[in-house]
Amino acid sequence: DAKTTQPNSMESNEEEPVHLPCNHSTISGTDYIHWYRQLPSQGPEYVIHGLTSNVNNRMASLAIAEDRKSSTLILHRATLRDAAVYYCIPSGGSNYKLTFGKGTLLTVNP
Amino acid sequence: DADVTQTPRNRITKTGKRIMLECSQTKGHDRMYWYRQDPGLGLRLIYYSFDVKDINKGEISDGYSVSRQAQAKFSLSLESAIPNQTALYFCATSDSRTGQFQPQHFGDGTRLSIL
Repeated sequence: DAKTTQPNSMESNEEEPVHLPCNHSTISGTDYIHWYRQLPSQGPEYVIHGLTSNVNNRMASLAIAEDRKSSTLILHRATLRDAAVYYCIPSGGSNYKLTFGKGTLLTVNP
Repeated sequence: DADVTQTPRNRITKTGKRIMLECSQTKGHDRMYWYRQDPGLGLRLIYYSFDVKDINKGEISDGYSVSRQAQAKFSLSLESAIPNQTALYFCATSDSRTGQFQPQHFGDGTRLSIL
């Protein structure tokens, strides 16, 4: 499994953009980059995934470096509900084997 | 109603007791998973199942067993609970029919304390 490095914690203000970085320098060529988040007292929820191109969905954007050794999850306008632990997970094949690290704890200030 | 339901939500028990955690889903997904989460750590995979009666060990299967007798249900058992199995347990599902990418959908967890 590819190793990932994420900041332990980050802080943002409400309605401001947030950029959550992840380094995954040992990622294999076929691994997708998945992001999940875990809100307090809940199970993780899927946020977004990508392989090489930048991706957008209703929750967030994912920017992937050209060499794929790093990626950044972008929340365009943080809300209080976005306060959570964010996990970056490289995973290949059918994505059945997710390896969760410690993630980044995002605090959103009102 | 939740798509992935875990029961019980909380359980306190004693060392040596047999414990069963249940997971049921209404999503019609074929794949199911059990994870545990310790304080301050990420989730670790215990067992997973790709279909009824298919069982596969995950990263930390020792001390646990599972059963998948129906597509919608996946139960996790601790045959003889020990204190270091105190943790938050999550069940998840995914659908292999969606193709290569299958996001996992998680329940809200079972908090298990073993005294």
